[in-house]
Amino acid sequence: DAGITQSPRHKVTETGTPVTLRCHQTENHRYMYWYRQDPGHGLRLIHYSYGVKDTDKGEVSDGYSVSRSKTEDFLLTLESATSSQTSVYFCAISAGGTWGETQYFGPGTRLLVL
Amino acid sequence: KNEVEQSPQNLTAQEGEFITINCSYSVGISALHWLQQHPGGGIVSLFMLSSGKKKHGRLIATINIQEKHSSLHITASHPRDSAVYICAALMNTDKLIFGTGTRLQVFP
Repeated sequence: DAGITQSPRHKVTETGTPVTLRCHQTENHRYMYWYRQDPGHGLRLIHYSYGVKDTDKGEVSDGYSVSRSKTEDFLLTLESATSSQTSVYFCAISAGGTWGETQYFGPGTRLLVL
Repeated sequence: KNEVEQSPQNLTAQEGEFITINCSYSVGISALHWLQQHPGGGIVSLFMLSSGKKKHGRLIATINIQEKHSSLHITASHPRDSAVYICAALMNTDKLIFGTGTRLQVFP
């Protein structure tokens, strides 16, 4: 199994509060991704990173920001959480630089925004 | 309409049955992934293919790029195969679009 951890694994927060989710990898992979998974939708890309300090938006990036100051860590921040951001968040990594490369997923973080 | 459609949405089977899960897409793609999501939520990549067929143990994935269709087959299904199976198509625009998944339950 790829060495990917996410923290926290579960979080309950209130609307309007900031929340930061952490993805940590031990594989030294260059590419890291944040997805959200909601009922009735496939996994949707929020943001991704192709190197330290290099990030780009995915299809559902509004309300989220990311940072990558070290190869091994990719942080996802909800600046002011809303109920629509209640979801399961998955981090993924890949060694290669194209979307055709195999992605390895973390265990997920279940976020509830009340 | 989703760009990537999976069928069926839910599937139940008896142990030992042959299983087929389908994935169709509406635009040109360059590759397709099959993923397995365990009941606990973990996601594992099973296959990535751009043509023909790939086999890993009891799992077989096929794709016909021209017909915009891929299938995942499970031979001699087992209760431990119970999971959600997800296809994801790599569009020619370099965008990866995920299907909503097929929930498979295999009963002993």
